[in-house]
Parts: sequence; structure tokens; C-alpha cells
Amino acid sequence: QTVVTQEPSLTVSPGGTVTLTCASSTGAVTSGYYPNWFQQKPGQAPRALIYSTSNKHSWTPARFSGSLLGGKAALTLSGVQPEDEAEYYCLLYYGGAVVFGGGTKLTVL
Amino acid sequence: QITLKESGPTLVKPTQTLTLTCTFSGFSLSTSGVGVGWIRQPPGKALEWLALIYWNDDKRYSPSLKSRLTITKDTSKNQVVLTMTNMDPVDTATYYCAHSNYDFWSGTYYFDYWGQGTLVTVSS
Repeated sequence: QTVVTQEPSLTVSPGGTVTLTCASSTGAVTSGYYPNWFQQKPGQAPRALIYSTSNKHSWTPARFSGSLLGGKAALTLSGVQPEDEAEYYCLLYYGGAVVFGGGTKLTVL
Repeated sequence: QITLKESGPTLVKPTQTLTLTCTFSGFSLSTSGVGVGWIRQPPGKALEWLALIYWNDDKRYSPSLKSRLTITKDTSKNQVVLTMTNMDPVDTATYYCAHSNYDFWSGTYYFDYWGQGTLVTVSS
């Protein structure tokens, strides 16, 4: 069973920069896994932020960016805002099936 | 404008079969590359992917739940139906459907639009 692993929690100061990562139990994450990133706030449905590693949706704020870093997918928030406090999930594509990561709780403090 | 909405029972008894319907608009499930997925989230826990159905009727299931799940589509009604058999209290969760697309031209794959979710409680 494939497992996708994220940091359980991270804390960042307002205006700071933070990087969240997403690892696959099958090995290094490459662009062929089409990493997607989602933001979820309490009581809301997930909102798509990044797709296929580094592409932004039309509604994605510029401070969010995606990349591959050290064999993992990465989501970087630059100039963090208080409203960025949320749970963040990655998704990886495995030839038709997908797997979500366990989520990262981002605290802005 | 793409929208999706989940519907189905809010309460099911243990051992019963759950049937959920995702009714969507703004896209066609007969368009190459398009898919609709089901995802669930138990209270306070992480997202868990359940199943996907693609435009070509290719169906994929979570390995851990495959024996209990069936996903079908009705392209003319713009609906996708998920059935889950032998429901248990641990299946209590908010169930979401979402639009996915593989863009053959750009070589990108994404989930973008999600329904609001529907909370299903399993209890006797």
C-alpha cells in the first residue's frame, strides 16, 4: 500500500517563508506523479492551489509556489499571511489512481 | 463554471450499503481526459481518496477499500454514483466529489473543483 508522507505540523511567523514537503513510499517524487496541493480551512472543502508540481490555478495567490526538492514535492509559501493558517494536503498520481498525504497543519504565529 | 454537489443519506446503519450521487455541471464526462473522484474525510482526520472514474469509463479504486466500492457514471445525467457496501461506524465521514482532468496538450493533471461535501454518519 502506497503511503504519502507530509510533515504533521509546521509553524511560521507572519511575513516569513515556509516549505511543506510530500514524499512517496515508492521512492523519489518526480513530475510524473503530477503533485497537486490543496488548502483546507475548518468547515470548508479543500481548495486546489498547485497542480503538476508547479502550476498555479487562476485563483492561487502568487505567494504560493510548488517545486521538486530532494526527491519530494514541495509547497513554498513566501510572505505568509495570517489567513494562510490551514491544513495543507498533497496528492500524487500513480497511473490512474491517486493518494493523498496525511496533511500538514500550518500555524501562523 | 464548474460545480459539483454530493447527495445521499446522512445516516446509515451498520452493514447497510451507502449510495452517494455527485451531480455536476460545467463539464462533460465524455470529454477526453476528464474524471470525477470521490474523497472522504472522517471528523478531524485527513483526506482519503476512494475512487475515480474517467471519461473512457476507466475506474480506479483505493486498494484498501476496493472490495466494497463501485463507481459508475451517467453521462447523460451528468452524474457519478458511488456505492460502498457493509458500512461501519469508522466510515463516518464527510464525502466529497471532485473534478479531475488530464490535459494531454500540456501534460498536466489536476483536481480543481470540489463539491461542498456531505456528512454521512454510520450508527445504529
